[in-house]
Amino acid sequence: EIVLTQSPGTLSLSPGERATLSCRASQSVSNSFLAWYQQKPGQPPRLLMYATSTRATGIPDTFSGGGSGTDFTLTISRLAPEDFAVYYCQHYGNSPGVFGQGTKVEI
Amino acid sequence: QVQLQESGPGLVKPSETLSLTCTVSGGSIISSFYWTWIRQTPEKGLEWIAYIYYTGSPNYNPSLKSRVTISVDTSKNQLSLKLSSVTAADTAVYFCARQSHWGNYFDLWGRGTLVTVSA
Repeated sequence: EIVLTQSPGTLSLSPGERATLSCRASQSVSNSFLAWYQQKPGQPPRLLMYATSTRATGIPDTFSGGGSGTDFTLTISRLAPEDFAVYYCQHYGNSPGVFGQGTKVEI
Repeated sequence: QVQLQESGPGLVKPSETLSLTCTVSGGSIISSFYWTWIRQTPEKGLEWIAYIYYTGSPNYNPSLKSRVTISVDTSKNQLSLKLSSVTAADTAVYFCARQSHWGNYFDLWGRGTLVTVSA
């Protein structure tokens, strides 16, 4: 089974700064099958990105995704106050697959 | 718009069966989507449990398959989950979610319900 490792565990930044989150797979995965979610306390995850770099409906263009093979990134170009949250990556394919353990973006 | 709402007991005794329901509102469960149960714990993070199409044909996470049953009640627009022989390790927030048309990722989630396994 593929294991997804996210880093860093916590990212401490200020509003307006750029955030770069990493998701590393234990083996090469198709970049058609990588998604990102945002989760705030007491809320369910919200889909941000799928197929590595396609933004979900309503997601601002300050969010971008990239990568291939085993290394994927989620970039938030300018952090807004509402972007401070936990972010998860997910590899999916013929099944919902696995999630990473999350990166917390904090002020 | 379509909304998902989980419901069920918040406390289950060890060795008993956890039963949850997810009600789909604002749309029909009879649609071209797969419907999924996912759980979240601090220890293991997010883990999909099972998913199903409205016509049946369930799919189970191999790690839980022996204890899980997922079903759909189209007359009530509901999705159900049963997890048997629960232990403290099954304490989690349980979400129902909708899988996208385009892949096995989740574009709509319920708010989740906390289930605690304790005597």
